[in-house]
Amino acid sequence: GAGVSQTPSNKVTEKGKYVELRCDPISGHTALYWYRQSLGQGPEFLIYFQGTGAADDSGLPNDRFFAVRPEGSVSTLKIQRTERGDSAVYLCASSPTGGGGIQYFGAGTRLSVL
Amino acid sequence: KNQVEQSPQSLIILEGKNCTLQCNYTVSPFSNLRWYKQDTGRGPVSLTIMTFSENTKSNGRYTATLDADTKQSSLHITASQLSDSASYICVAYYGGGADGLTFGKGTHLIIQP
Repeated sequence: GAGVSQTPSNKVTEKGKYVELRCDPISGHTALYWYRQSLGQGPEFLIYFQGTGAADDSGLPNDRFFAVRPEGSVSTLKIQRTERGDSAVYLCASSPTGGGGIQYFGAGTRLSVL
Repeated sequence: KNQVEQSPQSLIILEGKNCTLQCNYTVSPFSNLRWYKQDTGRGPVSLTIMTFSENTKSNGRYTATLDADTKQSSLHITASQLSDSASYICVAYYGGGADGLTFGKGTHLIIQP
């Protein structure tokens, strides 16, 4: 596709469950970012990949959150033992160069933890 | 601490009117400043990116200004349209890696017919 694709668009889960959120970046983009956005707030940085490696994971709130990008393209954000406070929109962005380059965002996955 | 403050939090104007959104940033060292438009239920879309040496940049009816001395930026929207209703997010980048992107909370703009 032409843009960043995120699936699912909506995910409802129960407290304590495990969830996976998927991001398909724009083809050829080496940099990939995950953000979390709560209502009325700006995106909050979670993790940044340059290629296959996590170049910066300083934004992950705790060890329940983990992300992978095994082949340098698709990325999966994994959340274990979900809590109600994890409810938010999870945004993925890709960039051709990373660093200060332009980011292209997906539409996000709205996660609701009941 | 790197911070981006935006004002107003929300704004309602009539279709056809102009408006200006404000952004103050405390980011050091400063590399560039971006404005994004985020429609409801969508991801942010880049409108402009300015480095410290640029004072103004336009994208159609959107004009961004930057004063690197006072660390202020503004986004001016001319002849507003209903489709301009969205959140506008200011982002400052200090070149310190991925978390060098500091996001503001956004201004929620509503255009009324």
